[in-house]
Amino acid sequence: SQQGEEDPQALSIQEGENATMNCSYKTSINNLQWYRQNSGRGLVHLILIRSNEREKHSGRLRVTLDTSKKSSSLLITASRAADTASYFCATERPRDAGGTSYGKLTFGQGTILTVHP
Amino acid sequence: DGGITQSPKYLFRKEGQNVTLSCEQNLNHDAMYWYRQDPGQGLRLIYYSQIVNDFQKGDIAEGYSVSREKKESFPLTVTSAQKNPTAFYLCASSKTPSSYEQYFGPGTRLTVT
Repeated sequence: SQQGEEDPQALSIQEGENATMNCSYKTSINNLQWYRQNSGRGLVHLILIRSNEREKHSGRLRVTLDTSKKSSSLLITASRAADTASYFCATERPRDAGGTSYGKLTFGQGTILTVHP
Repeated sequence: DGGITQSPKYLFRKEGQNVTLSCEQNLNHDAMYWYRQDPGQGLRLIYYSQIVNDFQKGDIAEGYSVSREKKESFPLTVTSAQKNPTAFYLCASSKTPSSYEQYFGPGTRLTVT
């Protein structure tokens, strides 16, 4: 089953507006990562936030993590048409006793963001 | 120019044939991964390798096989036992298995008819 669930599934905004995407997950995590995918291409890493961090910034991106609510949000400020893409959250679980979950990422289904010029 | 490459970009096969997808990285990363992505879906883990000569099944390993004989290479074979092989296949690598971002290749779109 999917560990991460993104909301909304699709988001359409005008250039210059902010875009907020949310991710919820079910079990404890080691870290949570956000990736971007342009249509038909590979994924590009955006930000990694560890379980003991609450907020991280990178350029126009801001990520928050609330482990008590098992949720994260990705904010893109002053969006551009070039930000049009699918955005995925991925969670890495803590290492279990058997080591079977070590390093494995579980991806959500993604949010499709369209930024109109 | 460091990175991760996948070939070919598009692959067409007849049902019942095995097919091998290539994945090479020159990032000196220990860990490598294979994912499958279906239309409108997220990524599902097929196999992963934390170190050379070792690999583990992911969530959907049935009908697939891998090898990791060299650090740089992690080929994926889609066998005839895979019931629904048509999909977009993504390879990724990371510096170590845990707590690092994954770097993705451009993907191979496999169509089986």
